[in-house]
Amino acid sequence: NAGVMQNPRHLVRRRGQEARLRCSPMKGHSHVYWYRQLPEEGLKFMVYLQKENIIDESGMPKERFSAEFPKEGPSILRIQQVVRGDSAAYFCASSPSVAGGTNEKLFFGSGTQLSVL
Amino acid sequence: GESVGLHLPTLSVQEGDNSIINCAYSNSASDYFIWYKQESGKGPQFIIDIRSNMDKRQGQRVTVLLNKTVKHLSLQIAATQPGDSAVYFCAERQGAGSYQLTFGKGTKLSVIP
Repeated sequence: NAGVMQNPRHLVRRRGQEARLRCSPMKGHSHVYWYRQLPEEGLKFMVYLQKENIIDESGMPKERFSAEFPKEGPSILRIQQVVRGDSAAYFCASSPSVAGGTNEKLFFGSGTQLSVL
Repeated sequence: GESVGLHLPTLSVQEGDNSIINCAYSNSASDYFIWYKQESGKGPQFIIDIRSNMDKRQGQRVTVLLNKTVKHLSLQIAATQPGDSAVYFCAERQGAGSYQLTFGKGTKLSVIP
């Protein structure tokens, strides 16, 4: 059973370009979460999605950032017009479809390291 | 601001000794806590969790203690091994129904062979 798969592992973008980060949850998991981690910091919640629905995006900047989790395919975190401050590690996590929608025992991917030049 | 924090940013221990990593939290409504281990270049790996209705939980070589009176959480690692070297994060869920985990900044554990 493959874990949470994220790609690419490393992404380099110039200021003003777009960054697309992909996440395939664990098999059987329908809850996806995106977190951002700055160097020597803890992870910060960005957004929580279920299939075709954004449940909580309170941690995501209102501008330039968007996320989706389509019926088919991976979840995508999209950052438009990237700036240097967007440089960070972006982690995706998934959890099983549990009654009550809890996010216990998140399983994390290996992350995408975004570097903005 | 942060509601989860750690007392010690770095910890060095001799191989074979026990390690204790501490974490303070400020939200008395938090009902669920998790310890994660993060190795360089990898995502956080689940170690152990505990609910707020418990004060102790044991796993393989690891024990988590929860003191709700002083809002303190600790992770004890028995017979620390070189493979335990990593950054350890505590995380809390701020109440049932919350979707978010709030992470502390982490403690770097270095095991001296």
